[in-house]
Amino acid sequence: KNQVEQSPQSLIILEGKNCTLQCNYTVSPFSNLRWYKQDTGRGPVSLTIMTFSENTKSNGRYTATLDADTKQSSLHITASQLSDSASYICVVSSPRGTDKLIFGTGTRLQVFP
Amino acid sequence: NAGVTQTPKFQVLKTGQSMTLQCAQDMNHEYMSWYRQDPGMGLRLIHYSVGAGITDQGEVPNGYNVSRSTTEDFPLRLLSAAPSQTSVYFCASSYYSQVPRGNSPLHFGNGTRLTVT
Repeated sequence: KNQVEQSPQSLIILEGKNCTLQCNYTVSPFSNLRWYKQDTGRGPVSLTIMTFSENTKSNGRYTATLDADTKQSSLHITASQLSDSASYICVVSSPRGTDKLIFGTGTRLQVFP
Repeated sequence: NAGVTQTPKFQVLKTGQSMTLQCAQDMNHEYMSWYRQDPGMGLRLIHYSVGAGITDQGEVPNGYNVSRSTTEDFPLRLLSAAPSQTSVYFCASSYYSQVPRGNSPLHFGNGTRLTVT
């Protein structure tokens, strides 16, 4: 069964620190992997989309990595800010099946001053 | 551009009542979809549409109907609300050719929080 698993479930860090969120998937065949940020009470907003051939992609202080061989991705946040407090959702895309986008359950990040 | 607009933001229904969740987008996207988000679960696809007049079922379609008479609008109807439909509902849109292979993201609305008592 196609699955996307994220870890940790939740994370607390101090402002200014770095952190890394993990995403493991069993989706096959694979089209691309997406990271979304979801603020409380809002809809998800896209951070990055990575295809099979891309190993690293950055969006400001957010850097996503992808290892298609091990089916793992990470999202690294540098110099965290209070506004980074949100849920981060990993989504894997497959060209087959009704549910072409398989969503992880997210990592809830809280940044404290 | 307003993006994807959902109304209402909050709704409380009694079991057995019906209602329509509204979704509109102004980006001329062919693809529109409805998801529900429940605690501890990933977003799950309810119904989707790849263009006006075309709809199809997702993972959890039971108890919901959709129609797509225009490119801009994609309403979701709850026929007879049940407590199991208490959830947060998100509408999303994209260019069809970008789902799933492309590099264009899904654009989400800010959700409708539905409680069924």
